[in-house]
Amino acid sequence: KAGVTQTPRYLIKTRGQQVTLSCSPISGHRSVSWYQQTPGQGLQFLFEYFSETQRNKGNFPGRFSGRQFSNSRSEMNVSTLELGDSALYLCASSLGSGGDNEQFFGPGTRLTVL
Amino acid sequence: GQNIDQPTEMTATEGAIVQINCTYQTSGFNGLFWYQQHAGEAPTFLSYNVLDGLEEKGRFSSFLSRSKGYSYLLLKELQMKDSASYLCAVRASKTGANNLFFGTGTRLTVIP
Repeated sequence: KAGVTQTPRYLIKTRGQQVTLSCSPISGHRSVSWYQQTPGQGLQFLFEYFSETQRNKGNFPGRFSGRQFSNSRSEMNVSTLELGDSALYLCASSLGSGGDNEQFFGPGTRLTVL
Repeated sequence: GQNIDQPTEMTATEGAIVQINCTYQTSGFNGLFWYQQHAGEAPTFLSYNVLDGLEEKGRFSSFLSRSKGYSYLLLKELQMKDSASYLCAVRASKTGANNLFFGTGTRLTVIP
């Protein structure tokens, strides 16, 4: 069974631009959670999608948004990029709700904002 | 909110035993996870505790004390490949849904 895949793996953008990241969960998994990982803050929860609905949201500004498609694939969008948005963005999939089940992480997208 | 603390870095010798501690203060606590993350790779699940006590899985064991807000991950017979970051994550219920909240991780270096 294929694992969680994320595209692109690396991305360089400039301040003010917007970016869209993609995550394909393990086949059969219905939940996708997104995290931001930085050296100083560790892994921080962004949001979770389950059956195309945002089920949970962390404490990030509205510039961070996401969606989930009927095949459970998910996208995350960040608008008006800031230097501080440079981070590794990880998605994790699980069978049921991410908080109730073991999560399987993808390799991440390394975003650099210049 | 959630406050999760773990040491930033630790060093141990190959073949030895190391204990990585994690303390937390959280409302709606509903379980604690440990993940391993090698540099440049995704975190992988190691263990899960929801009741007090010790859970053993091969060379790795995890302990939880809910009353003390404390957990540790014990790694025995250390191998060089155990050099990685170890993430403590607390599951907490917020508005009826469970979320995972991660500590900043402990970077373990195993030396010969």
